[in-house]
Amino acid sequence: AQSVTQLGSHVSVSEGALVLLRCNYSSSVPPYLFWYVQYPNQGLQLLLKYTTGATLVKGINGFEAEFKKSETSFHLTKPSAHMSDAAEYFCAVTQGAQKLVFGQGTRLTINP
Amino acid sequence: NAGVTQTPKFQVLKTGQSMTLQCAQDMNHEYMSWYRQDPGMGLRLIHYSVGAGITDQGEVPNGYNVSRSTTEDFPLRLLSAAPSQTSVYFCASRGTPSYEQYFGPGTRLTVT
Repeated sequence: AQSVTQLGSHVSVSEGALVLLRCNYSSSVPPYLFWYVQYPNQGLQLLLKYTTGATLVKGINGFEAEFKKSETSFHLTKPSAHMSDAAEYFCAVTQGAQKLVFGQGTRLTINP
Repeated sequence: NAGVTQTPKFQVLKTGQSMTLQCAQDMNHEYMSWYRQDPGMGLRLIHYSVGAGITDQGEVPNGYNVSRSTTEDFPLRLLSAAPSQTSVYFCASRGTPSYEQYFGPGTRLTVT
């Protein structure tokens, strides 16, 4: 079964600094990969996804992620953090045709 | 389009009570699912459905029932609530062949 590991349950960066949220997955077949964001007291919103094709994927709000098959990673980055980026971020991987497996989440805090 | 809607937003139950969490979507999506979100554990799949009349168990199905009589609705029933079912519950849907899931705003359930 597929699994997802997000390194760091809490990440804190200064406003304007680089954001790097790490995600590693295990999968026996080429997966589809996703990053979701959850703002306080809200549902999850899709940030970006990798299905096929270009391994560098751009999403909303200036985020991007790179699929690295050799490292089984799909890390999320943003060059310059903004206060509005404070949220919880979830990495997810498909399991078979029907299911999505989520990591445990990383809470991002932005310091002024 | 309203997307995915969930009711109620908040609910407090006593141990042993039963209730139904409602989920509806207006995107004509075939696939719908229920997740629970607990701190440090990400989202875990409870039940899912690939179309009207078809449901299957996810990772943590015990204590929950579902049915899918229409494409639009996918209610989640708690048969006899237990404190371990205190959680935030999210409903999601997706169309095919996309793997992108759309989430509802969630129901925060407390069982005392």
